[in-house]
Amino acid sequence: DQQVKQNSPSLSVQEGRISILNCDYTNSMFDYFLWYKKYPAEGPTFLISISSIKDKNEDGRFTVFLNKSAKHLSLHIVPSQPGDSAVYFCAAMEYGNKLVFGAGTILRVKS
Amino acid sequence: KAGVTQTPRYLIKTRGQQVTLSCSPISGHRSVSWYQQTPGQGLQFLFEYFSETQRNKGNFPGRFSGRQFSNSRSEMNVSTLELGDSALYLCASSSTGTAQETQYFGPGTRLLVL
Repeated sequence: DQQVKQNSPSLSVQEGRISILNCDYTNSMFDYFLWYKKYPAEGPTFLISISSIKDKNEDGRFTVFLNKSAKHLSLHIVPSQPGDSAVYFCAAMEYGNKLVFGAGTILRVKS
Repeated sequence: KAGVTQTPRYLIKTRGQQVTLSCSPISGHRSVSWYQQTPGQGLQFLFEYFSETQRNKGNFPGRFSGRQFSNSRSEMNVSTLELGDSALYLCASSSTGTAQETQYFGPGTRLLVL
């Protein structure tokens, strides 16, 4: 039973345009969400997080939006750069310190 | 500040053997979590240690175990290796392991079981 879902396996975007990565969750007890970027053969790199008491958090080119009623969050990258090409994972924090991950979305930014 | 380090980076074992992986957290971090990444199951939580105590455990068989030392370094052990244990094993650290705290990952150990 997947509690965190990233329904788009891949996304292709032109350099300079906006990339929007989506994530849905089913467990209403999740109260903290994170996005990680991952290159092959490397560990995930933390990008940005959001607490359930907020609906938006920005950090430079990255913005995460949270819609609690829809149990949906999204990561916006503006403007997209070729170096952003990687796998993006959405994660939700469950009880204690356990992260539940989505399956990931491969982002390709074309120059 | 140095990041999370994991050793070894790559490992090849045969079925039935056992393996020990090591993780050194970011300096000052006391919580260490372990995750397994496979193509079929994605990233899955194994267990979390804080102050040398296992606080949380995922849904993995007893062949997977771990421990944490007084300096917060952690090891995980897999006994009686199976082909399906081939995976990228990731370690993550956080300051206190409390709610709404970011976990920072190491580069992982790639284990291949033949």
